[in-house]
Amino acid sequence: DGGITQSPKYLFRKEGQNVTLSCEQNLNHDAMYWYRQDPGQGLRLIYYSQIVNDFQKGDIAEGYSVSREKKESFPLTVTSAQKNPTAFYLCASSIPSGGFNEQFFGPGTRLTVL
Amino acid sequence: GQNIDQPTEMTATEGAIVQINCTYQTSGFNGLFWYQQHAGEAPTFLSYNVLDGLEEKGRFSSFLSRSKGYSYLLLKELQMKDSASYLCATNSGGYQKVTFGTGTKLQVIP
Repeated sequence: DGGITQSPKYLFRKEGQNVTLSCEQNLNHDAMYWYRQDPGQGLRLIYYSQIVNDFQKGDIAEGYSVSREKKESFPLTVTSAQKNPTAFYLCASSIPSGGFNEQFFGPGTRLTVL
Repeated sequence: GQNIDQPTEMTATEGAIVQINCTYQTSGFNGLFWYQQHAGEAPTFLSYNVLDGLEEKGRFSSFLSRSKGYSYLLLKELQMKDSASYLCATNSGGYQKVTFGTGTKLQVIP
């Protein structure tokens, strides 16, 4: 079955530690995205990548880093510089074409900083 | 810039009809998405409107007016399982950036 996987589903980290969230897709999509969702708020774009070895900052990139070495994978690192990292993180992929860019989402990772 | 407004919460009765409104101010507008998101889960695609008018898909319909920067999602014959957040999102620019609203939390009551 094609889809997007994120692991782990729940993640706990101590303040001051870096942590990497996994995102893998087998949909053969070119574009991949990372969003953050806080209670009562919409999805906010952290980083996106339109093609392998290329990525761009979204609206709230500070304190985060990404890599796109393979088409299938787009890991997100939450660094100690991110002041409020506790949130629900969603990865998505798409094939933007002809004015249509449906986002296919993974199940999400809920990160809690202790 | 991008600005999307939708009500924070709504309550409706099982079997009834509910309309969730969304207004937007988006430069380079391409189209508008509606997604459904149950608590703690990923959003799932409901509809995408590019042209003005109403598009019907089963119990769900979505309307768009580009000149007014306005859309609504219409849910008919409400079921308890329709209790969820409904996210309005715009697609804009050559890159086709998707910008999400804060979502409308719908509670369906018996």
